[in-house]
Amino acid sequence: NAGVTQTPKFQVLKTGQSMTLQCAQDMNHEYMSWYRQDPGMGLRLIHYSVGAGITDQGEVPNGYNVSRSTTEDFPLRLLSAAPSQTSVYFCASSWARSGTSGPQETQYFGPGTRLLVL
Amino acid sequence: GIQVEQSPPDLILQEGANSTLRCNFSDSVNNLQWFHQNPWGQLINLFYIPSGTKQNGRLSATTVATERYSLLYISSSQTTDSGVYFCAVEVAGGGADGLTFGKGTHLIIQP
Repeated sequence: NAGVTQTPKFQVLKTGQSMTLQCAQDMNHEYMSWYRQDPGMGLRLIHYSVGAGITDQGEVPNGYNVSRSTTEDFPLRLLSAAPSQTSVYFCASSWARSGTSGPQETQYFGPGTRLLVL
Repeated sequence: GIQVEQSPPDLILQEGANSTLRCNFSDSVNNLQWFHQNPWGQLINLFYIPSGTKQNGRLSATTVATERYSLLYISSSQTTDSGVYFCAVEVAGGGADGLTFGKGTHLIIQP
């Protein structure tokens, strides 16, 4: 199993450009999520999904879109990049906890994508 | 939203020392996890511990849900334990169904 993979590893964008960060998992997990990590801020939840066709907003969703057309993939789209979106982005997956729409105990994180917006 | 506070923010120890990291949270939770982020940025899940005590080798964790805190113990530290330790919680009863992270404890183990 490859686990959770993210591409690209590093990206530089100019203000106003758009791009898609890719995330894929091969563990058939229902729950997938995107976080951003800024210095001194810990990780903050951007969007999450509990299955194909179902997505919802996290703590900091503005400026980002997601879709979940398959169980395996959960891309994150930046529609018009801003310098405030410079960050490290992590994708995570897990089973969903039964009876809830939250993540189960063991979450697997991808290696991260470092994004710099000039 | 729920507040998650970790202490200390930074900790420097010699190899072989023991340490205790603390996580306080401001509301009832139904999910609490501890993660280790190594110096290369990789995040590893250590414990899922919304209540009670668990042990895994030199690491153990205790959560007292009624008093809204969790402790992570590292015994006989090794240099490979260096990195940032995060506590993350999911609030009970609703809201965004994902984890809220603390700001982390940055641990440096010196040889």
